[in-house]
Amino acid sequence: DTAVSQTPKYLVTQMGNDKSIKCEQNLGHDTMYWYKQDSKKFLKIMFSYNNKELIINETVPNRFSPKSPDKAHLNLHINSLELGDSAVYFCASSLGLAGAYEQYFGPGTRLTVT
Amino acid sequence: KNQVEQSPQSLIILEGKNCTLQCNYTVSPFSNLRWYKQDTGRGPVSLTIMTFSENTKSNGRYTATLDADTKQSSLHITASQLSDSASYICVVSAGNNRKLIWGLGTSLAVNP
Repeated sequence: DTAVSQTPKYLVTQMGNDKSIKCEQNLGHDTMYWYKQDSKKFLKIMFSYNNKELIINETVPNRFSPKSPDKAHLNLHINSLELGDSAVYFCASSLGLAGAYEQYFGPGTRLTVT
Repeated sequence: KNQVEQSPQSLIILEGKNCTLQCNYTVSPFSNLRWYKQDTGRGPVSLTIMTFSENTKSNGRYTATLDADTKQSSLHITASQLSDSASYICVVSAGNNRKLIWGLGTSLAVNP
């Protein structure tokens, strides 16, 4: 059983399009996250949700909108995609807030904007 | 400014050899320090989590050390295997809100 799953694994799209990435965790965790890993391999947190409530919202363009329909799901919608959005996006979850609990990461979604 | 610096940036070793990766941090107040392994094309996987009071923690052939006084940590890999080829990332949890500060990672290649 996959603990944290993401779909799709690969996403190729053109500039200006709108796309969504889905994430699901079956660990019973309360907190979920979205990270962006750019070409330099640096992992940067974008959003964090705890019990469906947004608790971390780093400096991310308004074109990115997370949505948590329930504790087990955290989706990421991106409007008006730009070339700079090309990266690998990771979903993660933890029992509680990340600093105190171990995080479990999904396999990543490689987004390529052409 | 809270920062985590790792060295070396990349490392190549022969299978069966040992190696040590370094992590220096300027994070205050310190909560805990983690080491993650990230295989190519996959998400990071936690190897160890150490709190202020822990000096050493092992996970199989991986042994992490922490010196909270000098703000340094190391990850020692014993008898390396080809499957150890990956990026190893040091992450420090900081402050009362325990924000995670990520390092850039060390890319390790184990060659036969």
